[in-house]
Amino acid sequence: ILNVEQSPQSLHVQEGDSTNFTCSFPSSNFYALHWYRWETAKSPEALFVMTLNGDEKKKGRISATLNTKEGYSYLYIKGSQPEDSATYLCAFDSTGKLIFGQGTTLQVKP
Amino acid sequence: GAGVSQSPSNKVTEKGKDVELRCDPISGHTALYWYRQSLGQGLEFLIYFQGNSAPDKSGLPSDRFSAERTGGSVSTLTIQRTQQEDSAVYLCASSLDFTANTEAFFGQGTRLTVV
Repeated sequence: ILNVEQSPQSLHVQEGDSTNFTCSFPSSNFYALHWYRWETAKSPEALFVMTLNGDEKKKGRISATLNTKEGYSYLYIKGSQPEDSATYLCAFDSTGKLIFGQGTTLQVKP
Repeated sequence: GAGVSQSPSNKVTEKGKDVELRCDPISGHTALYWYRQSLGQGLEFLIYFQGNSAPDKSGLPSDRFSAERTGGSVSTLTIQRTQQEDSAVYLCASSLDFTANTEAFFGQGTRLTVV
């Protein structure tokens, strides 16, 4: 059974704070690690797809790192804004099959 | 179409009835996934279609659940003899192919309520 763990489960921060979440995944049979943002009443949308150990990706104020040898990825949000409030999901990609973690729900207070 | 389309968006059914949920993936996408989210839970993998290969059905929770994908495009998830624990949001996603580096695009989901 593939186990993808995310922490924390939920997070409340003030506008302007920087924050980060963790995704841990199996270190074997690794193809890729995906990050998605899921806003209320919308569909999950991809943020990053990462494949190489040591990979770092950035989109605006959001960035992610990947360590495939130890099986973890970090997602960072710099200067959180209320519109960043969402559930952030990571997914372990093994031969194309995506297994999702439980998600980290972020609430940014103005 | 421009995105992944699911129908119906909401379905209320009586316990014991069969339901069919439909997913229209993005044109040209060869990989298609079904997930469900029960109340307070994460995305639970159900089934994965990859091109012309046999689907990965390892996530289907019971033999009341089945899915097919006709002509490599539209997919139907069928739940027979629905139970109250089947109530959930059922999400479909597609991706360009089943190699790495390809993000999944999700539909809006079907909210199933079994009463």
